[in-house]
Amino acid sequence: QVQLQESGPGLVKPSQTLSLTCTVSGGSISSGGYYWSWIRQHPGKGLEWIGYIYYSGSTYYNPSLKSRVTISVDTSKNQFSLKLSSVTAADTAVYYCARHSYGPLGDAFDIWGQGTMVTVSS
Amino acid sequence: SSELTQDPAVSVALGQTVRITCQGDSLRSYYASWYQQKPGQAPVLVIYGKNNRPSGIPDRFSGSSSGNTASLTITGAQAEDEADYYCNSRDSSGNHLRVFGGGTKLTVL
Repeated sequence: QVQLQESGPGLVKPSQTLSLTCTVSGGSISSGGYYWSWIRQHPGKGLEWIGYIYYSGSTYYNPSLKSRVTISVDTSKNQFSLKLSSVTAADTAVYYCARHSYGPLGDAFDIWGQGTMVTVSS
Repeated sequence: SSELTQDPAVSVALGQTVRITCQGDSLRSYYASWYQQKPGQAPVLVIYGKNNRPSGIPDRFSGSSSGNTASLTITGAQAEDEADYYCNSRDSSGNHLRVFGGGTKLTVL
């Protein structure tokens, strides 16, 4: 079965760029019908959709983060990545990668990574 | 502010039925999906589309929609259903952008 695993630094300094990678195992990231997503959750708060990417490279971003976010895909490594620039303490959160599935019965984030905590602090 | 609105907290007696709602303009055109999140864990999809459950989700979970409101119903709530529940759908512009509701904390008494 498809599994997702986030990786990257747990601590990032203010004004720097947060970089995370999600490795997809058990299936190909190039399979059609899926958008590969990043979602975050501030401590004690709700879920916030950051954006997602199709294997072809088409991207969609949360308008509130769009100026600072880049999501990319590396089909050769079966990975996709998140870069969030000019971070502040407000970007401290658990970051999840997730698969967004489209199908005749509906669409949903059907598979999630375990999440990785990123703290922004000097 | 979220374009999908959920009640912050709901409680239900063990074995009783509870409905968790999600309101938003986009729900007039698009279905919501629902996620269960327990403390320290990643969210889990419980309902998507008109009323579809992924494999492994108990049939006491069901979904429905009317007008601008989507609902998640748990019929015969169990202690293990105590969790946060989030709805998700497209944003009100109807394009590929997604939005989550603020979440509902379900307490099983």
